Amino acid sequence: EAQVTQNPRYLITVTGKKLTVTCSQNMNHEYMSWYRQDPGLGLRQIYYSMNVEVTDKGDVPEGYKVSRKEKRNFPLILESPSPNQTSLYFCASSPGQYLNQPQHFGDGTRLSIL
Amino acid sequence: QKEVEQNSGPLSVPEGAIASLNCTYSDRVSQSFFWYRQYSGKSPELIMSIYSNGDKEDGRFTAQLNKASQYVSLLIRDSQPSDSATYLCAVNSLGGATNKLIFGTGTLLAVQP
Repeated sequence: EAQVTQNPRYLITVTGKKLTVTCSQNMNHEYMSWYRQDPGLGLRQIYYSMNVEVTDKGDVPEGYKVSRKEKRNFPLILESPSPNQTSLYFCASSPGQYLNQPQHFGDGTRLSIL
Repeated sequence: QKEVEQNSGPLSVPEGAIASLNCTYSDRVSQSFFWYRQYSGKSPELIMSIYSNGDKEDGRFTAQLNKASQYVSLLIRDSQPSDSATYLCAVNSLGGATNKLIFGTGTLLAVQP
């Protein structure tokens, strides 16, 4: 089954404790991205990767890191999480580099930073 | 700032009626336009994509694009209570060094039985 898989689905943690949210897609997609969704603010892009060689900041990259060492995986890293990073996070992938095809979303990860 | 704007709603329609959802965007070079449906706490799922001016129909859904007016809409015919959700408009932004999808904040649709 073609899918984008995120883990964990839910996480409650404390300020400053490094965490990684994994994202993997099995569709051989070039483009991958991370979003956060907050009430009233909609989906905001954190980072994106056009292909294995290109990663760039989205609209809200502060406090996050990503890596794209292989095509299928695109982990989101919070080196020192803070309460303002409490949010619902989505990973998404798209076949082409230039977003001329729809993005497929993972099921989401709900993070609570205390 | 390149933006995508939608009325937040809620848009309330009776069952069986036509729901009309609207979206405007600011980036004139945008080429790809998408409508997603999102149920509360769930991930967005693609409803329609449209790339050229005019109408595109898929079952009960019709997407309309007018690039000159920078306007895209979604019509839902014979609305059902199961259509009650937030509808997100998304537009690709390829200006300069950027290559990303910009989402509106969504319109909440409530279909009344």
